[in-house]
Amino acid sequence: DAGVTQSPTHLIKTRGQQVTLRCSPKSGHDTVSWYQQALGQGPQFIFQYYEEEERQRGNFPDRFSGHQFPNYSSELNVNALLLGDSALYLCASSGPRGGYNEQFFGPGTRLTVL
Amino acid sequence: DAKTTQPPSMDCAEGRAANLPCNHSTISGNEYVYWYRQIHSQGPQYIIHGLKNNETNEMASLIITEDRKSSTLILPHATLRDTAVYYCIPGGSNTGKLIFGQGTTLQVKP
Repeated sequence: DAGVTQSPTHLIKTRGQQVTLRCSPKSGHDTVSWYQQALGQGPQFIFQYYEEEERQRGNFPDRFSGHQFPNYSSELNVNALLLGDSALYLCASSGPRGGYNEQFFGPGTRLTVL
Repeated sequence: DAKTTQPPSMDCAEGRAANLPCNHSTISGNEYVYWYRQIHSQGPQYIIHGLKNNETNEMASLIITEDRKSSTLILPHATLRDTAVYYCIPGGSNTGKLIFGQGTTLQVKP
């Protein structure tokens, strides 16, 4: 089991552009959560996908959207990028067996907005 | 959501026990306490969780006070690889929405 994988590892974009980040969950997990981690801060919850629908959402604007596919993999899309969107974006997966608060995190995608 | 207070940083000598405290005085009766850690340049890693009773696994022990207002994560024999930011997170409803605070930066020194 490869665990949680994310792509790409690093990404550089300019203001106003759009970006798509990808996540493959750990085998046996059906839920994917996305977090944003600014430098020196703890991760902040963006939203969570379960059964291909957004189940809950943190305090993030509509520019942040996502999708979950039938194989449980997920995408995070950010439109109209701002400088403040520069951060490490973390994907975490969880499932019914271990409980949804016991999450396995990927290594993250480092997004830099210039 | 319950608020947590953790010291910003702690040092520990390699081979000694690391005791990381967390205050969660506003935790509700059905909220578990979860501990995660984040080693530099990696994603957070689940360590342990508990509700009322003390818990132990292969990574650590968790001691929760009887009034549940605070807890202590114990790494019994800290190694240099345990240097990380440790987060204490109250978690209720099993929804998977984890609220991370600033955590405690543990520096294990040789």
